[in-house]
Amino acid sequence: GEDVEQSLFLSVREGDSSVINCTYTDSSSTYLYWYKQEPGAGLQLLTYIFSNMDMKQDQRLTVLLNKKDKHLSLRIADTQTGDSAIYFCAADKTDTGFQKLVFGTGTRLLVSP
Amino acid sequence: DADVTQTPRNRITKTGKRIMLECSQTKGHDRMYWYRQDPGLGLRLIYYSFDVKDINKGEISDGYSVSRQAQAKFSLSLESAIPNQTALYFCATSDSGTSGVFTDTQYFGPGTRLTVL
Repeated sequence: GEDVEQSLFLSVREGDSSVINCTYTDSSSTYLYWYKQEPGAGLQLLTYIFSNMDMKQDQRLTVLLNKKDKHLSLRIADTQTGDSAIYFCAADKTDTGFQKLVFGTGTRLLVSP
Repeated sequence: DADVTQTPRNRITKTGKRIMLECSQTKGHDRMYWYRQDPGLGLRLIYYSFDVKDINKGEISDGYSVSRQAQAKFSLSLESAIPNQTALYFCATSDSGTSGVFTDTQYFGPGTRLTVL
């Protein structure tokens, strides 16, 4: 079955760029997602990329997709302390018309002043 | 996301008690989901519902049951709670495309933190 892996922790200084990486195993995944979870809150959809795209940019966020290597990354430019959160990568797995999401374990991003 | 609400937000209960977690949404989505989150394990799917009459088990449904009372409401029950059901529970919704726009992107509620002693 689909497996999604992320590193557990990333620490950066305010103003630097952050890059959070994710690998997945199912090459048939159509959509790949990034969610953000702030302390005490639910998962907030940040962005997603369709599998036929290599890159998607949305303000400070850049998503890169390498389908050959099944590698997804999220770059946050000019990282702010408010970006401190857990970031989840998720890949979809179509199953009888249902877009089942398989989540990684989450990467905790800590931004220091 | 304020469009998906969960009650209660926190609950402490004892082993053997019956617990119900509720989820409501105003997004008009037809699909609803229940997940649990455990540290280091990401999110795992418990149950999902395509519409009021279509309910399906996810990967970890044992010990749980659900009810889809209306398109906007989906509740999760623990018939006899046990300590290893201590977790953060999330409800999510998605639109399968009945409105004419397909994304099936899932939107999450704020979560319910459940502790079983």
